Amino acid sequence: NAGVTQTPKFRVLKTGQSMTLLCAQDMNHEYMYWYRQDPGMGLRLIHYSVGEGTTAKGEVPDGYNVSRLKKQNFLLGLESAAPSQTSVYFCASSLTRLGGETQYFGPGTRLLVL
Amino acid sequence: GESVGLHLPTLSVQEGDNSIINCAYSNSASDYFIWYKQESGKGPQFIIDIRSNMDKRQGQRVTVLLNKTVKHLSLQIAATQPGDSAVYFCAEARQAGTALIFGKGTTLSVSS
Repeated sequence: NAGVTQTPKFRVLKTGQSMTLLCAQDMNHEYMYWYRQDPGMGLRLIHYSVGEGTTAKGEVPDGYNVSRLKKQNFLLGLESAAPSQTSVYFCASSLTRLGGETQYFGPGTRLLVL
Repeated sequence: GESVGLHLPTLSVQEGDNSIINCAYSNSASDYFIWYKQESGKGPQFIIDIRSNMDKRQGQRVTVLLNKTVKHLSLQIAATQPGDSAVYFCAEARQAGTALIFGKGTTLSVSS
C-alpha cells in the first residue's frame, strides 16, 4: 500500500512552458486535492475533486487546470507556467467528507519556474 | 479575512521536555480540527484530530485540547524527542463539506 504518490519529484520549467503533475492513490479514496505551499505560508488549496469525473476550484485556482478521469488519479496542469507558480505542490486524498476527514498527503513536487 | 493562525512561528525545547504548540481560530462554526507534522522535504503527516463536540483527545505522546470558548487549539507533545523536530500545522474545517484551512505553521526545534 503506497498511499499517495506524486510524479515528478522535482522539475524546472521556463516561463510559458506547460507541464502536468500526476497524483495517484491506492486507498480507494473518493476525495482528492491539490495544494501549493510557499515559504512561510500554510497549504493553500488549488483544486479538488469529490469523485471520478468531478473537479472544483479551491482558494487559488488561477493558472491551473485539473482532471480526474480515474478514481485513483488526479492530474494538475500548468498550461503556461509563470515564476509566481514556483512552489511545492502537494496532493492529498481523503475517504469521504471534504474537510471533515483526515487527508493523507503525498511527498510533494518541487517546481521552479525560471 | 478569517484564517487559522499559530501564536509562535518557532519553538525551541530540550529533549525530554513537554512541548505545547498553540493555534487560534476565528470561526465558531468550525467543527473539525487537525494537526499535521511536516518534516523537511516531506509531505504533511497526520498526527491527531478532534471534533468540536470534544475538548480533549489523546494519542501516543500527543494530546490535542480544544477550547471553544476562546477559539483555541493546542497540541501537547510529551517527552519531546529530536525526531519531533518539524513544522507543525493546525487546520480547521469551518463548515460541513468545506475544505480544510491551514495555519502557517510552527517550527519545533528539539535540542539534545
